[in-house]
Amino acid sequence: EPEVTQTPSHQVTQMGQEVILRCVPISNHLYFYWYRQILGQKVEFLVSFYNNEISEKSEIFDDQFSVERPDGSNFTLKIRSTKLEDSAMYFCASRGQNGYTFGSGTRLTVV
Amino acid sequence: AQKITQTQPGMFVQEKEAVTLDCTYDTSDQSYGLFWYKQPSSGEMIFLIYQGSYDEQNATEGRYSLNFQKARKSANLVISASQLGDSAMYFCAMISGSASKIIFGSGTRLSIRP
Repeated sequence: EPEVTQTPSHQVTQMGQEVILRCVPISNHLYFYWYRQILGQKVEFLVSFYNNEISEKSEIFDDQFSVERPDGSNFTLKIRSTKLEDSAMYFCASRGQNGYTFGSGTRLTVV
Repeated sequence: AQKITQTQPGMFVQEKEAVTLDCTYDTSDQSYGLFWYKQPSSGEMIFLIYQGSYDEQNATEGRYSLNFQKARKSANLVISASQLGDSAMYFCAMISGSASKIIFGSGTRLSIRP
């Protein structure tokens, strides 16, 4: 069964550093998403991406965040200067005709 | 505004019993979809079941069924014959209208007792 792949599964970074979270969506899907889940809290929408541009973003997705589809297969989330409160599980998802598929997440810890 | 409400932060159930996890939703759109996801302690989101707003029959997937009551705007998940491996966090979620993002409820932590 096709799946959404996220790397790395865990990342520890120092406050102020840039991080890039990577995702490989399902190949025939056209819509891509990033969600965030702070430990013990609910999953929150960050951004959706369609046709090589952002289609919607939440108020969480400020200037520190950016997304890119650099090569037609990868979909990345960049956090420019990480803060302690960016520590969370980050989920990538893609959507096609058969519905939504989530990746297994990247657990980001900012120290 | 769209909203998902899960009022049970935690539940304990005896193994082999059936369990119902509550979910109510709010949307002004006529077309929407409802999901349930399971999140074990390892953190991944596992899709369980989906119900479309125009589906006349309640969705079922193995031991999971979705009790969809449109007039009451509820979409409760029923797990029959619970197993120890069902212990996890369960999220109800919705996709609504022309928006393509999913919004999630706050979750219910289900613990199965042997």
